[in-house]
Amino acid sequence: EVQLQQSGPELQRPGASVKLSCKASGYTFTEYYMYWVKQRPKQGLELIGRIDPEDGSTDYVEKFKNKATLTADTSSNTAYMQLSSLTSEDTATYFCAANWDWGQGVMVTVSS
Amino acid sequence: DIVMTQTPSSQAVSAGEKVTMSCKSSQSLLYNENKKNYLAWYQQKPGQSPKLLIYWASTRESGVPDRFIGSGSGTDFTLTISSVQAEDLAVYYCQQYYNFPYTFGAGTKLELK
Repeated sequence: EVQLQQSGPELQRPGASVKLSCKASGYTFTEYYMYWVKQRPKQGLELIGRIDPEDGSTDYVEKFKNKATLTADTSSNTAYMQLSSLTSEDTATYFCAANWDWGQGVMVTVSS
Repeated sequence: DIVMTQTPSSQAVSAGEKVTMSCKSSQSLLYNENKKNYLAWYQQKPGQSPKLLIYWASTRESGVPDRFIGSGSGTDFTLTISSVQAEDLAVYYCQQYYNFPYTFGAGTKLELK
C-alpha cells in the first residue's frame, strides 16, 4: 500500500524559498511517478509537475517552470519540491501523489 | 492543454437522493488502441486529501461503495451517486490523464439541502 508522508506546515516571507518533502513507503519508490499538486484556499486542484524517481527526469506545467523544482532521493525514498521567490499567490496546500494515492498535504503560508 | 469542465459547480441534496454530475473534456479521452477512457473521479472532504473513486471512467477503486457509478466516453462523462449518504458531502473532481499535463475540472460541491 502506497503511503506518502509530507513535511509540516511552513510560514515563509515573500521572496523566500521553501523545500517540501514527501517520504514514500509501502512500494518500490522508483516504480511510480511522483506528482505534485497545488490547492489554493477554497480552490480547485492544479498539477505542478511530476518526477520519475527512476532517473530523475521531470515534467512541469508551463506556469510552474520558474517556480517549482522537483527532485527525488532514492536512498531515502523521498521526493522534494522547492518553491522559489515566494509570493502571496503561493499560499496554498501542496500535495504529493503516486499511483493514485495522495499525501496528507502541507500548508504553505507566505506572509510578511 | 485539455480543458475539463464540470457542472454544476454546486448541488444541494438530501440523503437518499440520486445525484448526477457532469464532466466534459475539450478533446476525446478515448484511446482507440485499448478502448479506454483516461478519466478519473476524486472525492475531497474538507481538510482531507483527494481520494480516488473511479478510474478508466467507470472502474471503481477497491473499497469504494457501489453507489458511486462512473459512465461516459469520449468527451462526456458522468458521476452518479445512486443514493446519497451524509458522508458523501464533499467536492468531486474529474481529472484527465490522457495527455500531460493532466488537468482537473473545477469541481462539483455536494451540499446538504
